Amino acid sequence: GQNIDQPTEMTATEGAIVQINCTYQTSGFNGLFWYQQHAGEAPTFLSYNVLDGLEEKGRFSSFLSRSKGYSYLLLKELQMKDSASYLCPQRDSGGYQKVTFGTGTKLQVIP
Amino acid sequence: DAGITQSPRHKVTETGTPVTLRCHQTENHRYMYWYRQDPGHGLRLIHYSYGVKDTDKGEVSDGYSVSRSKTEDFLLTLESATSSQTSVYFCAISEGVKGNEQFFGPGTRLTVL
Repeated sequence: GQNIDQPTEMTATEGAIVQINCTYQTSGFNGLFWYQQHAGEAPTFLSYNVLDGLEEKGRFSSFLSRSKGYSYLLLKELQMKDSASYLCPQRDSGGYQKVTFGTGTKLQVIP
Repeated sequence: DAGITQSPRHKVTETGTPVTLRCHQTENHRYMYWYRQDPGHGLRLIHYSYGVKDTDKGEVSDGYSVSRSKTEDFLLTLESATSSQTSVYFCAISEGVKGNEQFFGPGTRLTVL
């Protein structure tokens, strides 16, 4: 299976910009997602990258470099409600739309 | 939001008893998944389904079985619950086309005493 590596925890200040990095196994790469999960809730989809480059959606952007096995999620104008865990599952190459999740990055936004 | 529900939302049971969790979707999505989420492990795939009566094992399938007799329902059964199966269980669905993102149900918190 794929090995997903993310920092365990991060802290950032309200109004600032934060970048959450994710590295993955490049063999059999078939797409990478970003999800947000608030404590006690289900994960919710943020973005999907399969080609190199930056995908922007409002305050959130996701970047992918396939050659480096690297992605990041950029959160701008941080708000207190952005405090959550951020997951970057990789889509499996074997089909059936399966994904492999890592443990995620817990982001705390402070005033 | 995708129409996906799970029942029950909370359950406390005793070791050795059978438990069935239900996932119901109204989106007519082909793919359905059961995950468990535990501290330090993230989300781990238990079983998945790629159509009615078509299911397969995930990475942590021991002690679990599933059934899918209708497109909209995916059942997860713990044949004889153990304390190690205390966890939060999430069901997810995927259309299988376009972005192929998975949509998650609200989760079931299961405690095995």
